[in-house]
Amino acid sequence: QKEVEQNSGPLSVPEGAIASLNCTYSDRVSQSFFWYRQYSGKSPELIMSIYSNGDKEDGRFTAQLNKASQYVSLLIRDSQPSDSATYLCAVNMVGSSASKIIFGSGTRLSIRP
Amino acid sequence: DGGITQSPKYLFRKEGQNVTLSCEQNLNHDAMYWYRQDPGQGLRLIYYSQIVNDFQKGDIAEGYSVSREKKESFPLTVTSAQKNPTAFYLCASSTTVNTEAFFGQGTRLTVV
Repeated sequence: QKEVEQNSGPLSVPEGAIASLNCTYSDRVSQSFFWYRQYSGKSPELIMSIYSNGDKEDGRFTAQLNKASQYVSLLIRDSQPSDSATYLCAVNMVGSSASKIIFGSGTRLSIRP
Repeated sequence: DGGITQSPKYLFRKEGQNVTLSCEQNLNHDAMYWYRQDPGQGLRLIYYSQIVNDFQKGDIAEGYSVSREKKESFPLTVTSAQKNPTAFYLCASSTTVNTEAFFGQGTRLTVV
């Protein structure tokens, strides 16, 4: 089982609709969860961090965390063509000697006009 | 300007050569990371460091080495033992190991 799993996509969503991106993780004691957006050929940029169960909203983005189910999601409302990118889920994994941030393989999102 | 600087942006290596990728941050972050990204793939952790003079192997450390002699610097050496080094290398840093990481612009390494 991979430490952080995402559906690779591509996920195609019409402009103006809600895009829903999902991620599951294996480490039950993880406390920090992140969503990044990566455009082709560029480095990832942070969209949201979430640390507590429930929803966290920032503009058109909402992150949802359910630690009991080991599941974190990202909703993008009113999707725009500029939202077309790869979305990476990242989780802080607590190891025996050190903590580290592990990324999923990413979901490609395409917003069609 | 505060941020994370990686250099060079593009790097070409001959077979059998060692090369060193630079990563410098002026954000006063304790934790630093190196990731490798292959085309169409996610980020794989090479090495990470929580504090100065300490670092740990990630999932794909073989053929790589690092040092953390200064808080602001975390250079990565790709050695000749790394058989397939062509990839996009990303350096990141975070305030602590539990907080979000921010990335440099990346170095694209190609073996010629």
